Amino acid sequence: ELKVEQNPLFLSMQEGKNYTIYCNYSTTSDRLYWYRQDPGKSLESLFVLLSNGAVKQEGRLMASLDTKARLSTLHITAAVHDLSATYFCAVPWFQGAQKLVFGQGTRLTINP
Amino acid sequence: ETGVTQTPRHLVMGMTNKKSLKCEQHLGHNAMYWYKQSAKKPLELMFVYNFKEQTENNSVPSRFSPECPNSSHLFLHLHTLQPEDSALYLCASSQDPVSRDAGRFKEKLFFGSGTQLSVL
Repeated sequence: ELKVEQNPLFLSMQEGKNYTIYCNYSTTSDRLYWYRQDPGKSLESLFVLLSNGAVKQEGRLMASLDTKARLSTLHITAAVHDLSATYFCAVPWFQGAQKLVFGQGTRLTINP
Repeated sequence: ETGVTQTPRHLVMGMTNKKSLKCEQHLGHNAMYWYKQSAKKPLELMFVYNFKEQTENNSVPSRFSPECPNSSHLFLHLHTLQPEDSALYLCASSQDPVSRDAGRFKEKLFFGSGTQLSVL
């Protein structure tokens, strides 16, 4: 069974700092998704990483995928308060039908 | 706006009540999902429907009863719930999870805004 693990699960940081969230998964996959969730709100798709070495960037967020290491990273550059949210990674897994298996989520709090 | 609409946004119910959550997707997708999100277990898959047929039930108690009359609509009927059932219930849809075509991310989930449920 596919397991997806994120770390850290909680992250409190100051504005202007850089940090990285890690997502490890247990079986082979050639793509990975990142979602963002604001408190009490739904999940919003951020990135789809489609191949080994894929890198996607939007604003202060950059995601990368290393399929050989079964690792994805979400890097935050010069954090701002608006990025405070919970971030989930998700990996496709085919068991009769394709579905996404989610990590536990990383709750990110950015303090002024 | 993601194309997946959930109602109501908030629901407070007693343990003896019967209520229903509704989800509608306008994306032409073939699969629909119910997820439960609480503080203890962040994101739990409850049910999956593919082409109106239930394909997954993750050991969900019978007090939760899903219904999928067509590929665009999904309901979650609730009865005799417990306080520990209080959570955010999220509906999602995807294009075609049965296809293994890797190039078109058919398993990508589009989520509704959720129903925040409180059971008193």
